[in-house]
Amino acid sequence: KAGVTQTPRYLIKTRGQQVTLSCSPISGHRSVSWYQQTPGQGLQFLFEYFSETQRNKGNFPGRFSGRQFSNSRSEMNVSTLELGDSALYLCASSFSPGSGVNEQFFGPGTRLTVL
Amino acid sequence: DAKTTQPNSMESNEEEPVHLPCNHSTISGTDYIHWYRQLPSQGPEYVIHGLTSNVNNRMASLAIAEDRKSSTLILHRATLRDAAVYYCILRDSGAGSYQLTFGKGTKLSVIP
Repeated sequence: KAGVTQTPRYLIKTRGQQVTLSCSPISGHRSVSWYQQTPGQGLQFLFEYFSETQRNKGNFPGRFSGRQFSNSRSEMNVSTLELGDSALYLCASSFSPGSGVNEQFFGPGTRLTVL
Repeated sequence: DAKTTQPNSMESNEEEPVHLPCNHSTISGTDYIHWYRQLPSQGPEYVIHGLTSNVNNRMASLAIAEDRKSSTLILHRATLRDAAVYYCILRDSGAGSYQLTFGKGTKLSVIP
């Protein structure tokens, strides 16, 4: 079974631009979560989607948004990029929602550099 | 999610057992203890989880204290590939979200 895939793997943008990152979950998984990882703040939760609905959102400004499609694939968008948005963006998928028991499967991440 | 405390770093010799501790004194009765690890330049990967009893899988063992206020992840024979940051995370079994709250974790170095 293929793992979580994220595209692109690397991205360079300039301040003020916007960016869209894509995530394809493991086949059969319907829950997708996004995380931001920086050296200073570590791994921080961005948002979670299940059945095309946002179920939970972390403490990030409105410039960060996401969506999930009917095939469970997800995209996240960051508008008006700032230097501080440079980070590794990780996507994780899970089989079913709600349980604190089930594990999450992470993708390799997209490394975003904002110049 | 309740808070966990882990040492910042640990070292181990290759092929020796490693015991990674985690304190979670405010754990609630419905919290599961999860461990994830992140190898260099990769996303985190699930290692193991448990509620009350000790757990074993192909990757590691999880020893949970009787009062559940602490736990220990055991790697039976450390390899160079086990060098990673290990995160201990509490997850409410009734949580309606998959949100994982990562702390700073323990950076494990394995010495050849």
